[in-house]
Amino acid sequence: EVQLVQSGPEVKKPGSTVKISCKVSGDTFSDDYIHWIQEAPGKGLEWMGLVDFEDGETVYAEKLQGRLTIIADTSTNTAYVELSSLRSEDTAVYYCATGATFFDYWGQGTPVTVSS
Amino acid sequence: EIVMTQSPATLSVSPGERATLSCRASQSIGDNLAWYQQKPGQAPRLLIYGASTRATGIPARFSGSGSGTEFTLTISSLQSEDFAEYYCQQCNHWPAYTFGQGTRLEIK
Repeated sequence: EVQLVQSGPEVKKPGSTVKISCKVSGDTFSDDYIHWIQEAPGKGLEWMGLVDFEDGETVYAEKLQGRLTIIADTSTNTAYVELSSLRSEDTAVYYCATGATFFDYWGQGTPVTVSS
Repeated sequence: EIVMTQSPATLSVSPGERATLSCRASQSIGDNLAWYQQKPGQAPRLLIYGASTRATGIPARFSGSGSGTEFTLTISSLQSEDFAEYYCQQCNHWPAYTFGQGTRLEIK
């Protein structure tokens, strides 16, 4: 079984940048994709982007292009998501998850609060 | 973008009874649909993929059906631990996967 452990809660000012980590351990996961998913209050789940652990290729949701960066560190089996120019609407819980098409393993979630 | 619409938004059912949750896609997605259960303060848990295949460890009372644009998640005999939020997700349009807005299953 695969385990994903995320970094802790964050409180950020508007305009700043947040970086969240997701460490993968356990059985080798076959699909090698790590996705990031946002859960904003009252807004359900929204796919943000993914990184391919094998070659570092990334794909981002169109609405986050320019503000989102996802990277994979294969030496530590850790994926990172960085969201810049934060605004209040970015207040949410952020999840990492594995899978090619559906998401079979999830991290515990990282709450991010954006407030002045 | 494929829009996923779940109904109803809230479903009230008594323990031991059957619950039927619906999910509609704005265009055909074949059988490329997954269902998740989420409890407050927890990450979503995969229940069903491929529209009808139960994920590892998921009890047989959970079943999925449908193809194309119309999908159903059925919980045959509700247990107390089944009261939660449920989401569908289309897995057809890689990688811009989209989720439904969720159905809250509450105790009647």
